[in-house]
Amino acid sequence: NAGVMQNPRHLVRRRGQEARLRCSPMKGHSHVYWYRQLPEEGLKFMVYLQKENIIDESGMPKERFSAEFPKEGPSILRIQQVVRGDSAAYFCASSPSWDSPYEQYFGPGTRLTVT
Amino acid sequence: DAKTTQPPSMDCAEGRAANLPCNHSTISGNEYVYWYRQIHSQGPQYIIHGLKNNETNEMASLIITEDRKSSTLILPHATLRDTAVYYCIDGPMDSSYKLIFGSGTRLLVRP
Repeated sequence: NAGVMQNPRHLVRRRGQEARLRCSPMKGHSHVYWYRQLPEEGLKFMVYLQKENIIDESGMPKERFSAEFPKEGPSILRIQQVVRGDSAAYFCASSPSWDSPYEQYFGPGTRLTVT
Repeated sequence: DAKTTQPPSMDCAEGRAANLPCNHSTISGNEYVYWYRQIHSQGPQYIIHGLKNNETNEMASLIITEDRKSSTLILPHATLRDTAVYYCIDGPMDSSYKLIFGSGTRLLVRP
């Protein structure tokens, strides 16, 4: 059973470009979470999605950031017009739809560098 | 903001038990205690969780006090690979199951 997969693992973008981060949850998991870890800081929740629905986006910056989890395919975190402050590690996690929702399984992360 | 408090750092000798404390001063009766760790540059890893009773799995043991205001994660025989930042979290029990990470405890296992 493959774990949570994220790609790319490393992404370099120039200021003003768009960044697309992908997350494939574990098989059978229908809940996806995105977290961000700025350099030398802790992990911060961004958004929680179920298939085709955004459940909680209270941690998402109001502008330039969006997320989706379509019926088919991976979850996508999209950052438009990136700025240097967006440089961070972005982690995706998934959990099954029953039992223990706080038991989340994390992917290896995407490290975004904005030059 | 995180609801739990942990010491910023600890160390222990390889092969010895590592006991990591956590205070849950505002925990509610139906909130679970979860422990995660993050090894350098990797994604966080779920370790264990519990509600009232002590729990044990292949990775660790979790001791929760009777008043549930504190917990201790025990790594019975720490190895160098256990060097990581350890986070204790108690669930907010709302409709969003987001994990709220604090600063954690940086555990250094010495050879």
